[in-house]
Order: sequence, then structure tokens, then C-alpha cells
Amino acid sequence: AQKVTQAQTEISVVEKEDVTLDCVYETRDTTYYLFWYKQPPSGELVFLIRRNSFDEQNEISGRYSWNFQKSTSSFNFTITASQVVDSAVYFCALRGETSGSRLTFGEGTQLTVNP
Amino acid sequence: GAGVSQSPSNKVTEKGKDVELRCDPISGHTALYWYRQSLGQGLEFLIYFQGNSAPDKSGLPSDRFSAERTGGSVSTLTIQRTQQEDSAVYLCASSPQAGGPTDTQYFGPGTRLTVL
Repeated sequence: AQKVTQAQTEISVVEKEDVTLDCVYETRDTTYYLFWYKQPPSGELVFLIRRNSFDEQNEISGRYSWNFQKSTSSFNFTITASQVVDSAVYFCALRGETSGSRLTFGEGTQLTVNP
Repeated sequence: GAGVSQSPSNKVTEKGKDVELRCDPISGHTALYWYRQSLGQGLEFLIYFQGNSAPDKSGLPSDRFSAERTGGSVSTLTIQRTQQEDSAVYLCASSPQAGGPTDTQYFGPGTRLTVL
């Protein structure tokens, strides 16, 4: 069985603050893939990043960075100097190699960035 | 290029009616997925198609739900005898190839289904 937990249901910050969204996962697969998606108020899920289980290198893309730690089964997402346009629901997802191609999603974290 | 498109964007129907939801995947993508997003259940996998292989239907919640994919491209999700609990946003996604390290799913805007 696979599970993704996003313990933070809602986070509210003021513009320019840094914010970290937590994601903890469970899987018995040795090969798996982790994803983050953004869902703005328009509703469309926007792909942000994919991480393979055999690559623990952290990644930075502009103001976004991701910290993958297999030892704690976590794949956290940090937004630096947040902006109002970052307001959205963010989903962490997992695909295990033995679970076919289905994604297992966390419950999502609603991020609100206030001006 | 064009992303995944879905139609209609909104659908209101009466309990007991059948509905069809359509998905056009990204051109060249061989894998197509359907998910459902509802308040109580979050994002749930329903079904996926990979090329000409038999679809994985393991996520369909009941036999009222079915899907087909014609010509390896467009897909239709059909819900028969709709119930109020079917009200949700139905999301379609496609990827270049199901499984493996390059399988990334790109989502469409969804169809919001309301069953009265």
C-alpha cells in the first residue's frame, strides 16, 4: 500500500516570507517517483517536479527548491520570497513501480500568500 | 503545444441520467488517465490506458463507471444512472509513456460534474 501525508492543511504567510510545505510518504517499492503539483484557483493541476527514488540530489528552480530525504521518507517543498501568485493548493504525489502508473496524492496544502 | 483538453468544463445533470465526459490528450502521448477530485475523498485514481494494452480499471468505484479510448487518442468517461455522490471534478491526464522514469502526468482543466 502507498500513502502520502501532507500534514499541513492550510498555511498563511505574508509576501516575501519563505514557506516550506511538508510531504511524507510510505511505500514498499524500492523504485518510486515523487511529484509536486500546483492547483491554482483556476483548478488545473500544474506539474512542478518529478523526483526518482534513486536520485536524492536536491533541486532548485528559481524561488522553488525541493529537499528529498529517503531516511525520513520526506520530500519537502520550499518557496523562497513568496509572492501572491504562489497562492494555490499544492499536492505531493507518489508513484511506486509496482502500483502501475497510478498516482497516489496527498490531501493537499492550501497556501495563501497575503500582500 | 496544446495541453490536455476536456469537455464540457461544467456539467449539471439530474440523478439517474447518464453523462459522458471527454478528454483529448497531448498529441503523441500514449498513456491517458482519469482521476476524480471531491471534497471528501481528495484526488482518486479511476482508470488508465496505455497504448493498445488492456486498461487498468482498478480505481473505478462501481460498474456504473466505464471508459473507452478510441484510436489511441480521445477518451470518454461514462457514468450511468448518476448519483449525487458522483458530484466531483473529473480530471484527465496524459503522459508520454506509462511507467518508468520519464512518466510524468500532465493534467487537463477538469470537468465539474454536479448531480442534482
